[in-house]
Amino acid sequence: DSGVTQTPKHLITATGQRVTLRCSPRSGDLSVYWYQQSLDQGLQFLIQYYNGEERAKGNILERFSAQQFPDLHSELNLSSLELGDSALYFCASSSLLGAGNTIYFGEGSWLTVV
Amino acid sequence: QQQVKQSPQSLIVQKGGISIINCAYENTAFDYFPWYQQFPGKGPALLIAIRPDVSEKKEGRFTISFNKSAKQFSLHIMDSQPGDSATYFCAATDTGFQKLVFGTGTRLLVSP
Repeated sequence: DSGVTQTPKHLITATGQRVTLRCSPRSGDLSVYWYQQSLDQGLQFLIQYYNGEERAKGNILERFSAQQFPDLHSELNLSSLELGDSALYFCASSSLLGAGNTIYFGEGSWLTVV
Repeated sequence: QQQVKQSPQSLIVQKGGISIINCAYENTAFDYFPWYQQFPGKGPALLIAIRPDVSEKKEGRFTISFNKSAKQFSLHIMDSQPGDSATYFCAATDTGFQKLVFGTGTRLLVSP
């Protein structure tokens, strides 16, 4: 168990809808990351927050947004969903900024768009 | 510049054999190279990592070999066991920036 908690574990929704994925980082970790894993794109970095502030942005669509709250939990909002958004979404956390600090992944949220 | 190329895509090794997975990168700013192991239904978990100031790092049965001039690094799993059957991802990032760039993954099957 990595200590990173993600909810929901599975989600099925229709095209055009909006969903929110929730992440609780490991206790004490200030940095939260979101990744998308799909068969054709592999593991893609979406966005990183550190202590409530956005620190890095990757291949995140404009229809997607995220935030990190004062209690350090994070939410990834996916809107106007398309079939191609079906994927496994991972949250990860680490204690500090900077390469070399271990990044711990949650077990992911499976999103199926039908 | 941001890509990390990983091979092979899949690998079958007999129990007790050596599993070798290779990765290559282009961005010379990368200076931290972790390997992650992922079991079905689970998130990736850090297995072992290396910085380019050393050419090899060993932890138990797992060894990373690093060739800075060739911009290549590889994972060796000695005495492979059926429990090692998983998908392995190499990754890379640069100092101060934790945007991990992942390889495409290698599905390893260790036959009994």
